Amino acid sequence: KAGVTQTPRYLIKTRGQQVTLSCSPISGHRSVSWYQQTPGQGLQFLFEYFSETQRNKGNFPGRFSGRQFSNSRSEMNVSTLELGDSALYLCASSLARQNYEQYFGPGTRLTVT
Amino acid sequence: AQTVTQSQPEMSVQEAETVTLSCTYDTSESDYYLFWYKQPPSRQMILVIRQEAYKQQNATENRFSVNFQKAAKSFSLKISDSQLGDAAMYFCALAVFGNEKLTFGTGTRLTIIP
Repeated sequence: KAGVTQTPRYLIKTRGQQVTLSCSPISGHRSVSWYQQTPGQGLQFLFEYFSETQRNKGNFPGRFSGRQFSNSRSEMNVSTLELGDSALYLCASSLARQNYEQYFGPGTRLTVT
Repeated sequence: AQTVTQSQPEMSVQEAETVTLSCTYDTSESDYYLFWYKQPPSRQMILVIRQEAYKQQNATENRFSVNFQKAAKSFSLKISDSQLGDAAMYFCALAVFGNEKLTFGTGTRLTIIP
């Protein structure tokens, strides 16, 4: 069974631009969560989607948004990029809510210049 | 709010030896789950082991085992017979019942000395 896939793997954007990252969960997994990983702040929870609905949200500004499609694939969008948004963005999927075993993708490395 | 603390930024161990990584946490919830994740250099995060708070028995997965001390809010990871492939960042994480959010510690970088 294929693991969690994320595209693109690397991305370079300029301040003020917007970006969309994509995540395909493991087949059959219905819950998708997003995390931001930076050297300074570590791993921080962005949001979680299940059945196309955002179920939980971390403490990030409204510039960070996401969605989930009927096939469980998820996208996250960051608008008006700032230098501080440079990070590794990780997607994780789990079989269902309250399954509590999340499987991570390889991440998208976003660099904002 | 939940917090997870890993007080050892770096650890090293000789190949084939045993090493223990420390983790403490804080939560006011009674039902929660604890995890150790491994993140090798430039590779993706892998779930190493999971512990349900309601279980008294410590979880084990092959060479990996935990020492879960609920009263002390301590959750350490023991790696036996360390191998070169164990070199990675190890993150301790917590999820409370009913919430998918993982709260992570700052990680411990483990180096294996051949």
